[in-house]
Amino acid sequence: RKEVEQDPGPFNVPEGATVAFNCTYSNSASQSFFWYRQDCRKEPKLLMSVYSSGNEDGRFTAQLNRASQYISLLIRDSKLSDSATYLCVVFFNTGGFKTIFGAGTRLFVKA
Amino acid sequence: GAGVSQSPSNKVTEKGKDVELRCDPISGHTALYWYRQSLGQGLEFLIYFQGNSAPDKSGLPSDRFSAERTGGSVSTLTIQRTQQEDSAVYLCASSPALGSGNTIYFGEGSWLTVV
Repeated sequence: RKEVEQDPGPFNVPEGATVAFNCTYSNSASQSFFWYRQDCRKEPKLLMSVYSSGNEDGRFTAQLNRASQYISLLIRDSKLSDSATYLCVVFFNTGGFKTIFGAGTRLFVKA
Repeated sequence: GAGVSQSPSNKVTEKGKDVELRCDPISGHTALYWYRQSLGQGLEFLIYFQGNSAPDKSGLPSDRFSAERTGGSVSTLTIQRTQQEDSAVYLCASSPALGSGNTIYFGEGSWLTVV
């Protein structure tokens, strides 16, 4: 089992739709969680951190469920510009630090 | 510069040749990472450096791959006797420290093509 797993998609949604991605992680010692966004042929960039209490940034909401070991990203009112690959990132320390990136979920928002 | 700088941005090399990829992290960042990403695939961890500690080389795919970080700043990833399967974008990243909650910042990558 991979340490971080994501549905690769692609998710094809119309503008204005709400879309949600999940990411599961296998290591219960995981400490920090992030969502990164990667545009085609570009480097990944931080979208938002994920806090235990959940957090919201405009149209984006991230949540963490430690009991079930998954994090989620919700995008409301999708824009064409949201089309990208969304990477789930998990940081943990089990005698050594590790930052693991999921393989990403591809999102296409169409007019 | 303000961000992570990588060079060359593009490199085409013949199979069997050695290549060196350079990364200049954000000033003051003590943690430096190398990842590899093949077309349409996820990020593959290669190696990270944290300050003066021994690097974690657990992700290097073979002994043809090596990396150095001199003076706690600039890093060089070397691939010896390149193979076609080495073709990928090599992404360098840095963060203020290797610890929980530290944002990782990526460079634009070095696109390697082995022909």
